[in-house]
Amino acid sequence: TQLLEQSPQFLSIQEGENLTVYCNSSSVFSSLQWYRQEPGEGPVLLVTVVTGGEVKKLKRLTFQFGDARKDSSLHITAAQPGDTGLYLCAGSTDSWGKLQFGAGTQVVVTP
Amino acid sequence: GAVVSQHPSRVICKSGTSVKIECRSLDFQATTMFWYRQFPKQSLMLMATSNEGSKATYEQGVEKDKFLINHASLTLSTLTVTSAHPEDSSFYICSARDGGRVADTQYFGPGTRLTVL
Repeated sequence: TQLLEQSPQFLSIQEGENLTVYCNSSSVFSSLQWYRQEPGEGPVLLVTVVTGGEVKKLKRLTFQFGDARKDSSLHITAAQPGDTGLYLCAGSTDSWGKLQFGAGTQVVVTP
Repeated sequence: GAVVSQHPSRVICKSGTSVKIECRSLDFQATTMFWYRQFPKQSLMLMATSNEGSKATYEQGVEKDKFLINHASLTLSTLTVTSAHPEDSSFYICSARDGGRVADTQYFGPGTRLTVL
């Protein structure tokens, strides 16, 4: 059973369109991270959110942490082909910092 | 900053041999490192948590005698796949926890592709 539910599993859009990826759970997280992974490479950290209701912006990417710290979303504005990749959310529930990963959302942006 | 390296990036070996994978934090000290494996088109599966100077903690279903983990220093952890078999073929990724930053932030290495013939 996946502790973190990511949706959608797959997203294919045209360059210039917007997209949102969701990460939901019934558990409360002390922090939540978003990563992007390309084939054959390790995940690259995009952002860490720690405060309920927090909103962080990274250029065209906007990350939101739910008030109850159980869910998060990633919104990409005017997507570009370089945004193509596997987006993973991960939350920490214990003192060791052990991460629970969502199943991932494969995003494909075509020119 | 916060760079994690892995070596080798790719290894092909014969069935029955042992393979060692190194994970290094290059610009920070990592008291805790994690080892994951990832199958094609799937998410990361945590194998074990490695703490400097102590025994690793393995996730349920992961054989500790098969996947030996040593965290000898604050910048190095190694994973040894002993007597590898074709079913051990996978993408192995390590991560390191940087306690100097936001508490639970992990930085990942580039991964090691293991192919067992």
